Amino acid sequence: KNEVEQSPQNLTAQEGEFITINCSYSVGISALHWLQQHPGGGIVSLFMLSSGKKKHGRLIATINIQEKHSSLHITASHPRDSAVYICAVPYGGSQGNLIFGKGTKLSVKP
Amino acid sequence: NAGVTQTPKFRVLKTGQSMTLLCAQDMNHEYMYWYRQDPGMGLRLIHYSVGEGTTAKGEVPDGYNVSRLKKQNFLLGLESAAPSQTSVYFCASSFLVVGQVGTEAFFGQGTRLTVV
Repeated sequence: KNEVEQSPQNLTAQEGEFITINCSYSVGISALHWLQQHPGGGIVSLFMLSSGKKKHGRLIATINIQEKHSSLHITASHPRDSAVYICAVPYGGSQGNLIFGKGTKLSVKP
Repeated sequence: NAGVTQTPKFRVLKTGQSMTLLCAQDMNHEYMYWYRQDPGMGLRLIHYSVGEGTTAKGEVPDGYNVSRLKKQNFLLGLESAAPSQTSVYFCASSFLVVGQVGTEAFFGQGTRLTVV
């Protein structure tokens, strides 16, 4: 079974700051998912990546397969970015589901 | 597009009562999952289905049952609710196995269940 560690658990930033959230996993994977969960809301998939880097607006996700590590960056952060960001990787067996990190709670102050 | 819809969004049960949570997806996905989310823990898989008429146990299946009679619907049942089942429940679906490259998982809005 894969293990997922996220850091930091909580993050408070001022509007405009550059933010980095980290994710490490224990077993080799085919793809890693970054998800966003707003307070009281559902979960939305932000990125799915298997190598290199992906960018969507102010969000950038990178992955280093050899080091089993991924980062999610937010440039020019805004209060509407306040949410829980979750990293998820495949279970590692035949179950076909994801193993989730505990999430990073981000709060961006105006 | 509705995507993945969960019903109900909130529910309070008394210990011993039963209920069914409904997950419906309109994307013709083969794979459907039920997760629970508890404070300080990542989402954990309860049960999943790889196609109509099939179900399988996940990481924390005790106290729950599921059915997938129609491809678009995945039902999660609690036969005799316990306070330990107080949680937020999420349904998800995917076209292929989510571990495969290029397969995205789509989540519902969640159901907040309190058992008193």
